[in-house]
Amino acid sequence: GNSVTQMEGPVTLSEEAFLTINCTYTATGYPSLFWYVQYPGEGLQLLLKATKADDKGSNKGFEATYRKETTSFHLEKGSVQVSDSAVYFCALSISGTYKYIFGTGTRLKVLA
Amino acid sequence: KAGVTQTPRYLIKTRGQQVTLSCSPISGHRSVSWYQQTPGQGLQFLFEYFSETQRNKGNFPGRFSGRQFSNSRSEMNVSTLELGDSALYLCASSSSGEGTYEQYFGPGTRLTVT
Repeated sequence: GNSVTQMEGPVTLSEEAFLTINCTYTATGYPSLFWYVQYPGEGLQLLLKATKADDKGSNKGFEATYRKETTSFHLEKGSVQVSDSAVYFCALSISGTYKYIFGTGTRLKVLA
Repeated sequence: KAGVTQTPRYLIKTRGQQVTLSCSPISGHRSVSWYQQTPGQGLQFLFEYFSETQRNKGNFPGRFSGRQFSNSRSEMNVSTLELGDSALYLCASSSSGEGTYEQYFGPGTRLTVT
């Protein structure tokens, strides 16, 4: 079946450190891939997306590249800020299924 | 453009009762999805509606049901509440629900069953 696997959290970093959150997927067909972020007490917000292999999504300094050969969509940021502290979700969707599948989420804590 | 709104934001119910949650999508969006979020299970897909038709549903018991109205607003209902139904229920809207389109989430309804 279709699934998303994320690295376990929490991830604790110092401000200005480099961030990588790993995400791999299993899918039948060609999924679109997404990263969402959830701040405390809020719903999820779209961070970035990629709809085909080798696409790079980017937003607010975050980047992720759709790697079909390794079925991965790792999230990276060069220099994190305290305000980036949140839970990050990797997700996929396959056209025609009208369904999004989310990973378990990775909590990021950035220390000043 | 106003975002996705969900009402109520918080709800406390007793086992055996039923509950109805409401979701108003972004103007122009015709697809509405519902998710249950719990610490143990993460985000679990409940169902998706488009133009008043349910196009997909997740693996939840029949106690969980939903509907969508002609103005795209959606409701979900849980009957005979159990303690395990305590969760954050998230609604998301999308222009089409197709895989390449992102979903926009509401703030959620926090349901506590006692």
